[in-house]
Amino acid sequence: GNSVTQMEGPVTLSEEAFLTINCTYTATGYPSLFWYVQYPGEGLQLLLKATKADDKGSNKGFEATYRKETTSFHLEKGSVQVSDSAVYFCALSPMDSSYKLIFGSGTRLLVRP
Amino acid sequence: DTAVSQTPKYLVTQMGNDKSIKCEQNLGHDTMYWYKQDSKKFLKIMFSYNNKELIINETVPNRFSPKSPDKAHLNLHINSLELGDSAVYFCASSQDGGSGELFFGEGSRLTVL
Repeated sequence: GNSVTQMEGPVTLSEEAFLTINCTYTATGYPSLFWYVQYPGEGLQLLLKATKADDKGSNKGFEATYRKETTSFHLEKGSVQVSDSAVYFCALSPMDSSYKLIFGSGTRLLVRP
Repeated sequence: DTAVSQTPKYLVTQMGNDKSIKCEQNLGHDTMYWYKQDSKKFLKIMFSYNNKELIINETVPNRFSPKSPDKAHLNLHINSLELGDSAVYFCASSQDGGSGELFFGEGSRLTVL
């Protein structure tokens, strides 16, 4: 079946540190891949996406590359800020099943000043 | 002007009661969803509707009954509430079902005592 696995959090970093949050997936064919972010007390917001192998999604300094060979979509940012503290969700949209976004368990990021 | 709005934001009730959560989107989207987020932040799809028609019912107990009076509204009614129903329920919408680009409401936190 389709599934998404994320690294367990929380991830605690100092401001300006480099961020990596690992995400791997299981799916048939070529799903679309997403990162969503949830700030405290809010709903999820789309951060970035990639729809085919080797695509790189980017937004607000965050990047993730769709790696078919390793079935991964790791999220990276070169220099995090306190305002990046949030929960980050990796997700996939299966090729064979529209109308359903499958989420990973989320990774909480805490950035300290 | 809120794109996806849910009411109420907080709901505390006793086991066995019946409650409803309302959702409205003003984005002109065709597809709407209900997701459940448990205490560990895990997000799972419950239902998706496209143009008022049920597309996905993800093995949710039949105590949960979604209703879509028009494509801008998707309400969730829950009968005979149980302790395990305590969660945050998120409504979301998208332009179509396959894009994976969902717009989420702020969530409705349901606590069953």
